[in-house]
Amino acid sequence: DAGVIQSPRHEVTEMGQEVTLRCKPISGHDYLFWYRQTMMRGLELLIYFNNNVPIDDSGMPEDRFSAKMPNASFSTLKIQPSEPRDSAVYFCASSSVAGWYNEQFFGPGTRLTVL
Amino acid sequence: KNQVEQSPQSLIILEGKNCTLQCNYTVSPFSNLRWYKQDTGRGPVSLTIMTFSENTKSNGRYTATLDADTKQSSLHITASQLSDSASYICVVSSRDSWGKLQFGAGTQVVVTP
Repeated sequence: DAGVIQSPRHEVTEMGQEVTLRCKPISGHDYLFWYRQTMMRGLELLIYFNNNVPIDDSGMPEDRFSAKMPNASFSTLKIQPSEPRDSAVYFCASSSVAGWYNEQFFGPGTRLTVL
Repeated sequence: KNQVEQSPQSLIILEGKNCTLQCNYTVSPFSNLRWYKQDTGRGPVSLTIMTFSENTKSNGRYTATLDADTKQSSLHITASQLSDSASYICVVSSRDSWGKLQFGAGTQVVVTP
């Protein structure tokens, strides 16, 4: 298995632009998580899905952030409009309910820089 | 307040030496605790996971301990190697909230030749 795949690996954009991050979870996993990591705040859960349905989006910072999971093999995290404080590394992770302890497998991350 | 506190924040050790990282948590009701290793520029990778009834678990040169009574865990690295240079993150899961993990801030370990 290729593991969790994220694209792009790096994104540099200007303030006000729309940014779309993409994730392909491990095949067969029914949970998908989006995280943001910064030096100041560490890893923060933004939102997670179960069987393509958003379960908890309480970590989404504000309305500028939105996430979708149209099918079991693809999810997007969109920021519109982007701001410099959104600069961070965004991770996608997936897990399976069959693993009762929720072992999450992380992707390589997308490093976002908003100028 | 963060429910998972790690110490030290960072440490430097000589190659071949041992070191121990600490994790204190207040997450309740407790389900499990795991240690992740995060190399620079990569996503976290699970090293060990322990449930309430487990006191110790090893993964090669990594040994994790758990005291559920005092809500403390440690990660011991034996005979450190340069490849052990990374951030080590303590993560705790609550029985009440399967999907949401509580992350510590991590301990940055640098192994020098």
